[in-house]
Amino acid sequence: DSGVTQTPKHLITATGQRVTLRCSPRSGDLSVYWYQQSLDQGLQFLIQYYNGEERAKGNILERFSAQQFPDLHSELNLSSLELGDSALYFCASSVVQDEQFFGPGTRLTVL
Amino acid sequence: DAKTTQPPSMDCAEGRAANLPCNHSTISGNEYVYWYRQIHSQGPQYIIHGLKNNETNEMASLIITEDRKSSTLILPHATLRDTAVYYCIVMYGSGNTGKLIFGQGTTLQVKP
Repeated sequence: DSGVTQTPKHLITATGQRVTLRCSPRSGDLSVYWYQQSLDQGLQFLIQYYNGEERAKGNILERFSAQQFPDLHSELNLSSLELGDSALYFCASSVVQDEQFFGPGTRLTVL
Repeated sequence: DAKTTQPPSMDCAEGRAANLPCNHSTISGNEYVYWYRQIHSQGPQYIIHGLKNNETNEMASLIITEDRKSSTLILPHATLRDTAVYYCIVMYGSGNTGKLIFGQGTTLQVKP
């Protein structure tokens, strides 16, 4: 158990819909990262927040957005969903730039 | 961030040492070498990282060549539970920006 929690574990929705994935970092970790893992693209970095502020951006689509709240939990919002958005979404947290602790992931299926 | 090259797959006998190579010939002086692994579809797990010197922890050892252009992750006594995809990642070590750029990794199959 990494100490990072993600909800929900599984999510099935339809194209065009909007979903919100939630991540609670380990206690004391200020950084939260989001990654997407699909069969054809592998593990890809999406975005990082540090203490509520966006710190780094990767291959995150404009239809996707994220935020980190004052209690340090983070949400990843995915809108206008397409079939290709079906993937595992991982959240990770860290204190500083050393070891990142990954959560168990949310499996999103878009039908 | 520097790119890494890893063999796509390797086999190892249970109880033997598993040596996973990684090439990172374009690594710069302030970039660290990180190793993570992913078992099935679980979240990736941190193994070890280093800058110049060899490193050892309870999971593995990391050997970095003197020119820092390659490294080897050593699992001293591989078990079946070490079957996973192993990712070698080079990351700039400064500030609070720590995005991990995952490649294809090496699928290690530990066989009884």
